[in-house]
Amino acid sequence: DAKTTQPPSMDCAEGRAANLPCNHSTISGNEYVYWYRQIHSQGPQYIIHGLKNNETNEMASLIITEDRKSSTLILPHATLRDTAVYYCIVRVAENIYNQGGKLIFGQGTELSVKP
Amino acid sequence: DAGVTQSPTHLIKTRGQQVTLRCSPKSGHDTVSWYQQALGQGPQFIFQYYEEEERQRGNFPDRFSGHQFPNYSSELNVNALLLGDSALYLCASSGTGAAHEQFFGPGTRLTVL
Repeated sequence: DAKTTQPPSMDCAEGRAANLPCNHSTISGNEYVYWYRQIHSQGPQYIIHGLKNNETNEMASLIITEDRKSSTLILPHATLRDTAVYYCIVRVAENIYNQGGKLIFGQGTELSVKP
Repeated sequence: DAGVTQSPTHLIKTRGQQVTLRCSPKSGHDTVSWYQQALGQGPQFIFQYYEEEERQRGNFPDRFSGHQFPNYSSELNVNALLLGDSALYLCASSGTGAAHEQFFGPGTRLTVL
């Protein structure tokens, strides 16, 4: 079973920030939070990941609460091409070095960016 | 630099048949994972291969088997196909060690009639 909970759908106006929440209250200390997205009929695309600290890359920002029980993915200026299903995933590492590890996907959040 | 490639793109089989799906990982990657995605659902982990051995396995029956070759490419085999095996089969590759980012291929759409 997925270890995360996400709202099934969200809308966002084009050009505005999209804030996608995720609950992962049972996350363990060495488990990372990952975000992927899947545009219709394509393979999932990696967005960002984090352990404790907030992270930012060219696609998005990831805000993780201090207790690590929830996180928020922020797309700063959403475009129509950001319409997709967004998956928040807690990665189960194979060993203490975070090697290997399967991704356990939940249902995700279907984000619709509207003009 | 080619990303993850999968073949075939689409496949139609009948119940009871066997199928083989193929995956070539991204250049420089040595770990391959397979996922099954039913319509309207998130991908489900089938198994992962590293150094030609199955390293992790999800909750799938023995009808699902795999193989990894010395060049790191991989095959997924499904025997005795059931209607419920109809899905998008995704291959993902990653590098050695922490392997934070898994790159997914476009998938193979399998339809079982």
